[in-house]
Amino acid sequence: ETGVTQSPTHLIKTRGQQVTLRCSSQSGHNTVSWYQQALGQGPQFIFQYYREEENGRGNFPPRFSGLQFPNYSSELNVNALELDDSALYLCASSFGRGGLEQFFGPGTRLTVL
Amino acid sequence: ELKVEQNPLFLSMQEGKNYTIYCNYSTTSDRLYWYRQDPGKSLESLFVLLSNGAVKQEGRLMASLDTKARLSTLHITAAVHDLSATYFCAVTSAYSGAGSYQLTFGKGTKLSVIP
Repeated sequence: ETGVTQSPTHLIKTRGQQVTLRCSSQSGHNTVSWYQQALGQGPQFIFQYYREEENGRGNFPPRFSGLQFPNYSSELNVNALELDDSALYLCASSFGRGGLEQFFGPGTRLTVL
Repeated sequence: ELKVEQNPLFLSMQEGKNYTIYCNYSTTSDRLYWYRQDPGKSLESLFVLLSNGAVKQEGRLMASLDTKARLSTLHITAAVHDLSATYFCAVTSAYSGAGSYQLTFGKGTKLSVIP
């Protein structure tokens, strides 16, 4: 059984650029959730995808967008990067909308200069 | 809006001592989670608590849930250096209209166990 994987591990961008982060869900899981964790803070929910459709969104602006593919992998896209977007981005996979447990990937560390 | 508060935020303790981390949440929830995070790493699931009075134990860690008080505790028994990490509690709330369960996290408790 393959766990949740994310790529890239680290990324450095400049303000105003766009970035795409990728996540492969654990085998058998059809739901992916994305979280942003700023330094010294708890993770904050960005959005969730279930069977290729957005299924819940946190308090993040529209420049944060996502996709889920037929194989249930997912992308997080952030446009017009701001300095405050620097964070660890975590994806978590689960089974079903109300899956009991979300299994987290290793994260992507994004630095915006 | 669901809010989750942990205390203390920082905890320095000697090996062999006992201590408790507290997690309060503001609205009714049906699931509470405890996670561990090592520096620069992802989240490792420790416990899932589903019902009032639930108690789970793994090694030197024991978690409990009081849904009436909206309080969970993580008790550390005879701490060892390997337990040094940041511990998060998280609570789910059903996203209105969509049925998704998003996790709302506390700020975390950074635990340092001193030899």
